[in-house]
Amino acid sequence: SAVISQKPSRDICQRGTSLTIQCQVDSQVTMMFWYRQQPGQSLTLIATANQGSEATYESGFVIDKFPISRPNLTFSTLTVSNMSPEDSSIYLCSVELGVRGNEQYFGPGTRLTVT
Amino acid sequence: GNSVTQMEGPVTLSEEAFLTINCTYTATGYPSLFWYVQYPGEGLQLLLKATKADDKGSNKGFEATYRKETTSFHLEKGSVQVSDSAVYFCALMWGGSQGNLIFGKGTKLSVKP
Repeated sequence: SAVISQKPSRDICQRGTSLTIQCQVDSQVTMMFWYRQQPGQSLTLIATANQGSEATYESGFVIDKFPISRPNLTFSTLTVSNMSPEDSSIYLCSVELGVRGNEQYFGPGTRLTVT
Repeated sequence: GNSVTQMEGPVTLSEEAFLTINCTYTATGYPSLFWYVQYPGEGLQLLLKATKADDKGSNKGFEATYRKETTSFHLEKGSVQVSDSAVYFCALMWGGSQGNLIFGKGTKLSVKP
């Protein structure tokens, strides 16, 4: 498994501002993922972030709104830009591990409220 | 496309009751199947997994069997505890290490003493 931390754990932000969420892993991993969990809903993948390449975004998510950095094999950031109340969600990062690379482990999440 | 369907919650049980949370999937090929658990105020934790047909995943008294013929991966526990109260997510992963997880909507379980 892996120990994954996220900062901040929660925040309350005003609309129109931006928030950068950090994800730190205690081991080197190739693939990191960012998910959104809207209130009472399941998880939706935002993007896949591999070190050394541009993040790959899922349908409905764009780089201008959710820019991602992946400067090394243990760290990534997700920025939620120009926030609106509809962005209020839990944002989670995850990493892929396992012998066949088919296990994902999740950080504790960042609970974002936009007012 | 690929999808996961879970039974609607919430599910409320008394301590020591038997638990079943149904999960069925639609997928091309041979996905890996997972159950994740989210305790109140925490992130998701991998509970168990199965990577091929007839595999049984088990952990903490929970178990689930990968049934290809019925495309199901039902979660069971013989005797639930109050500490099992959480939201349970069924998920599938396709495409091997380059794939991503597709989650069900989650089932909230409340166990009363």
